[in-house]
Amino acid sequence: GDSVTQMEGPVTLSEEAFLTINCTYTATGYPSLFWYVQYPGEGLQLLLKATKADDKGSNKGFEATYRKETTSFHLEKGSVQVSDSAVYFCALNTGGFKTIFGAGTRLFVKA
Amino acid sequence: EAGVAQSPRYKIIEKRQSVAFWCNPISGHATLYWYQQILGQGPKLLIQFQNNGVVDDSQLPKDRFSAERLKGVDSTLKIQPAKLEDSAVYLCASSLESASNYEQYFGPGTRLTVT
Repeated sequence: GDSVTQMEGPVTLSEEAFLTINCTYTATGYPSLFWYVQYPGEGLQLLLKATKADDKGSNKGFEATYRKETTSFHLEKGSVQVSDSAVYFCALNTGGFKTIFGAGTRLFVKA
Repeated sequence: EAGVAQSPRYKIIEKRQSVAFWCNPISGHATLYWYQQILGQGPKLLIQFQNNGVVDDSQLPKDRFSAERLKGVDSTLKIQPAKLEDSAVYLCASSLESASNYEQYFGPGTRLTVT
């Protein structure tokens, strides 16, 4: 079945460091891919998405490129801030009704 | 616009008791989702409504869980009787439609602890 695998956390970085959170997927068909973020005490929010191969989603300095050949959708940010501390979820939807989420990666950014 | 509202935010019950959660989606959103998020895992879809009809409840443990969305607006999720393994955060989300390119908006969740 469809699945999402993302790197285990927690990831701890210093402010202004480069961030990569790996995400790979298994899916039949051609899924849409998403990154959601969950700040402490809040619900999940959509961070960015890509709906077809080679699309790049971007928002708030975060980027992820839909790589069909490697079935990946890695999240990157060039310079993280303390306010980016949160849990990040990679997810996919194959056009059916169900969105499949990864287990989440917790990011801590130190000042 | 107002976001997705959920209540209560926290609930502690003993096993074999019953519990109900309430969700009010964003106005005008046709699709409503209930997810279960166990600590350390991603959200798992329990049930999805399109207006007041169920479109996917394949992962809902129907012997103990039930959900309804009367009049196609707010929704309740009930567990009866609860088990220890039901301890989790229950998330409600809504979207304009159910197609994959429509963003889901999540509520803050209800944290359930079963003792």
